[in-house]
Parts: sequence; C-alpha cells; structure tokens
Amino acid sequence: QAVLTQPSSLSASPGASASLTCTLRSGINVGTYRIYWYQQKPGSPPQFLLRYRSDSDKQQGSGVPSRFSGFKDASANAGILLISGLQSEDEADYYCMIWHSSAWVFGGGTKLTVL
Amino acid sequence: QVQLVQSGAEVKKPGASVKVSCKASGYTFTSYDINWVRQATGQGLEWMGWMNPNSGNTGYAQKFQGRVTMTRNTSISTAYMELSSLTSEDTAMYYCATSESHSGWFDPWGQGTLVTVSS
Repeated sequence: QAVLTQPSSLSASPGASASLTCTLRSGINVGTYRIYWYQQKPGSPPQFLLRYRSDSDKQQGSGVPSRFSGFKDASANAGILLISGLQSEDEADYYCMIWHSSAWVFGGGTKLTVL
Repeated sequence: QVQLVQSGAEVKKPGASVKVSCKASGYTFTSYDINWVRQATGQGLEWMGWMNPNSGNTGYAQKFQGRVTMTRNTSISTAYMELSSLTSEDTAMYYCATSESHSGWFDPWGQGTLVTVSS
C-alpha cells in the first residue's frame, strides 16, 4: 500500500470549492506530519502551494492566493487541500508530500478539472 | 532573481550513466539544499535525494541507493546528479529544486532535463 494515496481525478465547476484529499497509509498518523502541497500545470515544473500541520503550524507559498488552504481530517487520516472559488486557471495536477522514513514521499497526484 | 538552470536533454543507451547539472543564481548557493525529483511522462513525482551544497552531505531515496550520486562545484554554484546503470524505466524529466535544510518547501525549481534511455 502506498504511503500517500490521492484520487486520480476530480472535477468541479467554476466558482465552486474543491477538496483534494491525501490519505496516509494505515499506521502513519496524519497528526504528526507536515503535509506539503504542489500544483503542476502541463509543461511546467511543480509549484509549491502551502504546507499544513495544524492551524498554528502552517505556511502559504509566496504569492499563493488565500483561496488555497490546508486542513486535516483526523478521522480519515488525511490531509486536505481546499480550493475555494475555483477558476479555470486552477485546472492542474496536485501533489501532496510528506517526510517519512528519512525520505520525501509524494502522493500519486490528483488531476483537477474545472468545467 | 533566484533561478535554477539545468543542462539540456540527453539520450543514453541502456547501461550507461547520465550526469545532469543545475546552475544556481540569485542567491548564496551554499545556503540552501538542492533536491532532485523526477517524473516519467504522464506519471507522478518521485523524489530522488538531497544535497547540502555547503557540506556536501547527501541523502538518497532507498530506491536509488548505489545508483545515484549528487555532487556540487561551489565555485560555479552548480549541483550535479549522476545516475548510473540506466534502463528504459529511467526515461523521465529530471528536476532540481532548492529548499531550506530539511524543508519540503521546494522553490524554485529548475526547468527540467529530459533524459531518454533507448537502445
């Protein structure tokens, strides 16, 4: 089982909100991890969006709009990237990442379609 | 501005090695780690390892242990990633990215170097 699991795709309408989940493997407690989120558009390298561990331990990337925010769902053992007020430019691949067992580990990514 | 510029695309035969460079500008090269991440076409991101340009210390993903070497030349603010014993499964875009020590905030990223392994 992968360390981080993300749904492969998600669709949402312009102006709506989208919740992208990043589920940690059973036995790995989401509460102790900083979860990093990246956005990647076709033909470009990834861009850092934000990191989130708790409301008191979080950081937004430079120039990243506040409509991108991070949360955790402890009951689901998952990190969540919430994008509110979706815009067409938000259509991209999104990756989560954590530091686990002395390595940076990426989730498989979610392709977000805004239509 | 802070920038990472990578070397150009490479075509290699199976069993060969490839060395990709990553030239930094706009900041003090030795103050930030360099990470290497690869991405096969249409696939996800895969972290390969990190290097501290000041000390030369490195840390590699277990998958690449014994096959990857990360080095630097501080006089020209350039980091290198060498991958040996190439197979077709190593065909991918290779990125370098800076970060503070032990941080997952990778920014900026290089433009990427496409490595193609083909007989």
